[in-house]
Amino acid sequence: DAGVIQSPRHEVTEMGQEVTLRCKPISGHNSLFWYRQTMMRGLELLIYFNNNVPIDDSGMPEDRFSAKMPNASFSTLKIQPSEPRDSAVYFCASSFAEGQPQHFGDGTRLSIL
Amino acid sequence: KQEVTQIPAALSVPEGENLVLNCSFTDSAIYNLQWFRQDPGKGLTSLLLIQSSQREQTSGRLNASLDKSSGRSTLYIAASQPGDSATYLCAVYFGNEKLTFGTGTRLTIIP
Repeated sequence: DAGVIQSPRHEVTEMGQEVTLRCKPISGHNSLFWYRQTMMRGLELLIYFNNNVPIDDSGMPEDRFSAKMPNASFSTLKIQPSEPRDSAVYFCASSFAEGQPQHFGDGTRLSIL
Repeated sequence: KQEVTQIPAALSVPEGENLVLNCSFTDSAIYNLQWFRQDPGKGLTSLLLIQSSQREQTSGRLNASLDKSSGRSTLYIAASQPGDSATYLCAVYFGNEKLTFGTGTRLTIIP
């Protein structure tokens, strides 16, 4: 299996621009998670989906962030407008079911100038 | 508030030694606990998952234990190798499909 695939691996953009991060979960996995990792706050769960339905988005920092999962094999995390404090590594993870091991992608390193 | 703590934040050990990484959590009503490693510039790799009904899990040179009553888990690495150098994260399921992560222990194995 190819594992969880994220794109792009790196993104550098100016503040105010729209940023879209993409994720392809492992085939057959029913849960998908978006995390953000920073030195100051560690790993934080932003939102997770179960069977393509958003279950908990309480970790989404503000309305500038939105996430979608139009089908079982694709999800996006969008930031509009982006700000320098959004700079972080964003990870996508998937799992077969609740309580099962989560498998992570290699992340997108986002820098907002 | 459900919290996961890992101390120390960094650890250096000579190659060949056995070592223990520590994880503590504030709520004993956990669903399961997972240990990950993270290499620089990479995502997290799942190492071991211990269900709340289990006391330990083993995989090769790794052994993870769980003591819910004291709110602690340990990851034991036997005969450490330079390739074991990474950041090790402990994460706890508190029963709501959300993993709460510790801040990790950065392990360096000195050749």
